[in-house]
Amino acid sequence: DAGVTQSPTHLIKTRGQHVTLRCSPISGHKSVSWYQQVLGQGPQFIFQYYEKEERGRGNFPDRFSARQFPNYSSELNVNALLLGDSALYLCASSLDQNEKLFFGSGTQLSVL
Amino acid sequence: AQSVTQPDIHITVSEGASLELRCNYSYGATPYLFWYVQSPGQGLQLLLKYFSGDTLVQGIKGFEAEFKRSQSSFNLRKPSVHWSDAAEYFCAVQGGTIKAAGNKLTFGGGTRVLVKP
Repeated sequence: DAGVTQSPTHLIKTRGQHVTLRCSPISGHKSVSWYQQVLGQGPQFIFQYYEKEERGRGNFPDRFSARQFPNYSSELNVNALLLGDSALYLCASSLDQNEKLFFGSGTQLSVL
Repeated sequence: AQSVTQPDIHITVSEGASLELRCNYSYGATPYLFWYVQSPGQGLQLLLKYFSGDTLVQGIKGFEAEFKRSQSSFNLRKPSVHWSDAAEYFCAVQGGTIKAAGNKLTFGGGTRVLVKP
């Protein structure tokens, strides 16, 4: 069975641009969470979605947004990119909003 | 708000030696605690978790961790390290009742483990 898949694996953008990151959860999983991992730090929670509704949001500016589709896949959008947005963005899925998280390998975003 | 501290940024250990990684948490009630491992270019893999019950928890790959409420600690141990254990290790806490918190995790800063031949 496929695990959590994220695309693209690597991405280079310039300041001020917009980016969309994609995540496909494990089949049957209805909850998707997003985390940002800056180099040398632990992951930080950005969003959790369950049944297409936002169920939690971390301490991130409104430039960060996300959505979940009827097939439970998810997109993370970041507008007006800053250098500090350079990080590994991890997606995790779970059966429901309270269950064990399974992480994807992440999207490495570099903002120049 | 909950927080997690991993005091050691780097640890170097010889292959075959024992390993202990420290984790201290701050949370007002009984937390749910986790240890994850991350290899370069990879996502996070769950090693073990503590929800309740026996304070000594066994995980995958020969790891174990002990929850000590009096010390607010959840240290990870392995009796004999293999070269393949070189990776970054993260301690995490999930606060409150599971239903209230969802499954949002607060991570520590991580400990990078280097294994010498």
